[in-house]
Amino acid sequence: RKEVEQDPGPFNVPEGATVAFNCTYSNSASQSFFWYRQDCRKEPKLLMSVYSSGNEDGRFTAQLNRASQYISLLIRDSKLSDSATYLCVATSGGGADGLTFGKGTHLIIQP
Amino acid sequence: GAGVSQSPSNKVTEKGKDVELRCDPISGHTALYWYRQSLGQGLEFLIYFQGNSAPDKSGLPSDRFSAERTGGSVSTLTIQRTQQEDSAVYLCASGLAGDYNEQFFGPGTRLTVL
Repeated sequence: RKEVEQDPGPFNVPEGATVAFNCTYSNSASQSFFWYRQDCRKEPKLLMSVYSSGNEDGRFTAQLNRASQYISLLIRDSKLSDSATYLCVATSGGGADGLTFGKGTHLIIQP
Repeated sequence: GAGVSQSPSNKVTEKGKDVELRCDPISGHTALYWYRQSLGQGLEFLIYFQGNSAPDKSGLPSDRFSAERTGGSVSTLTIQRTQQEDSAVYLCASGLAGDYNEQFFGPGTRLTVL
């Protein structure tokens, strides 16, 4: 199974700061990428898709670097409610064989 | 509309017993996925259904695990002769055909094997 690697953290960040973390993927055939957010003892929920040109949704910006095979998530003006685990996903469109979740990056926003 | 539902929400069983976990996907979603998540760990892919067929069963940990889906809707994951290492949260997700699309997760079933 293809791998998706993430720094598990935790990232401890003061409220209001900007934080960024990356995710690398090993399958060069990967075509679609997502960031999911998972709160403690809850199910993952889609945060945002990652488009080739990069995309922004409010305080969140996602970028894709195909040459280096990584995607990134940037959170500006971090809020206490941003504390969660962020999972990245890479898919190659080849059925479930191409669907791989990273183990997640744990983010803690401190007051 | 209604999201993905799973039952039971919690299941405590004794080692050696069989358990059956149920997933009701979002209506109209043809793709259905089962994952397992142990404490502090990432998502472990188990099996994927497209309609009623499972083209990829490679993630099932052993032959004690099986899953079926009927009518392109409800799916059940069965674990026979449960072991303590089977204790985890079992998550189901559904989505539109093809894995380019967002997956919507259910709340999971927390399985504890004593």
